[in-house]
Formats: sequence, structure tokens, C-alpha cells
Amino acid sequence: GQQVMQIPQYQHVQEGEDFTTYCNSSTTLSNIQWYKQRPGGHPVFLIQLVKSGEVKKQKRLTFQFGEAKKNSSLHITATQTTDVGTYFCAGWDFNKFYFGSGTKLNVKP
Amino acid sequence: DTAVSQTPKYLVTQMGNDKSIKCEQNLGHDTMYWYKQDSKKFLKIMFSYNNKELIINETVPNRFSPKSPDKAHLNLHINSLELGDSAVYFCASSQAGQGGSPLHFGNGTRLTVT
Repeated sequence: GQQVMQIPQYQHVQEGEDFTTYCNSSTTLSNIQWYKQRPGGHPVFLIQLVKSGEVKKQKRLTFQFGEAKKNSSLHITATQTTDVGTYFCAGWDFNKFYFGSGTKLNVKP
Repeated sequence: DTAVSQTPKYLVTQMGNDKSIKCEQNLGHDTMYWYKQDSKKFLKIMFSYNNKELIINETVPNRFSPKSPDKAHLNLHINSLELGDSAVYFCASSQAGQGGSPLHFGNGTRLTVT
């Protein structure tokens, strides 16, 4: 069946360091979305990537969709304490989203 | 002003009881979902409804029964609660059953079964 794997599971960084989380699907995806869940909160939509090789930026966040549409990454430049949370990718295949296992980011001030 | 609201926020109950969680969205979306998030933070889809019709029913015990009286509401009833049902349950909605629409999540219901 469809699987979306996400690494790393945890990442601890010092404020100001960069952070990257990777998402890999066992099959080609129609699109991929990224969500952020703050501690105690609910997932909040960040962005959607649709095209092969697509790159999108949101301030310090850079999102990429692989050429084969089977992998994606989220890169945060110069992390801040407000970036703390769990980042999920969600791939769309057929009629549902398959969520990655999430990467929990902790930022030390 | 809340887009997707679910109640209650916390639910503590004993094994064997029956409980319900309610969800309402005021975004005018056609599709609503129930997701389960376990202690390891895995988000797993349980059900999806499009305009009151069930379109996704994952491998969920039949003790879980969703009901959608209209496209703005999706409730979840759980019979004979078990310890393993303890989790956070999120309701979500999207514009349509297509992959192009972001999911809007409710604040979650933390269910604890003792």
C-alpha cells in the first residue's frame, strides 16, 4: 500500500541554525502538502506543491517537490523559537491524503 | 468565527462506555474527515464524507460510526470504548474531495479511556 516516510523523526537545533525535513513516497503523488502542528495544537496548512521539480518559498521556508513527484523537502533557514513544532508532509494519491510520520523540531534559544 | 469546531475538547471516560464527538465547519466545504492522532503523532485518516456521503472508510473497527446530517456537520460515535482508543481525534474539512484543497483542522478532541 501507499506509504509516506518522513525523516528525521526529531531534530534539535540551536536558534539560528538551519533545518531540513525530508518526505519520501513509495508511489508517485499527484501533489504534496506541508503542515505545521504546534505543541498542543492542530495541523495548519503551510503550502501545496503540484508540479514536478517545483520550488516554493515562504520567507525563511523553502519547499521542494522532486522531479519524479515521489519526494519532497522543507528547509528552514536560520530557525527561530517560533518554528518549534511538528512538520508533516501529506501526499495526495487517488482520493486521500497520506500523512508522513512528522518531524518534531525543537529550537533552543 | 471558528472555521472548524469540534466538541468536546477533552473527553475522559471508562472502558465500555459509548461517547460522541461533534464537528461543524462554517467554511462551506464539501468534504469532511475524521483523523486519529496517536501518542506518536501519527495522523491516520478514519473517514471521509463528501456532501453527506461516505467516500472513505479506512480499516476502522465498526465500533466507530460517523454520521453526517448535512455537509457542514460530521459527528463520530464510538461504542464500547477500549484503552487503545485513547488518542486525539481531529475533524477536518476541505473544499472538495480533490487533492488540490488544503485540509482545515479543528482543534482536536483528546480522548482518554481508563
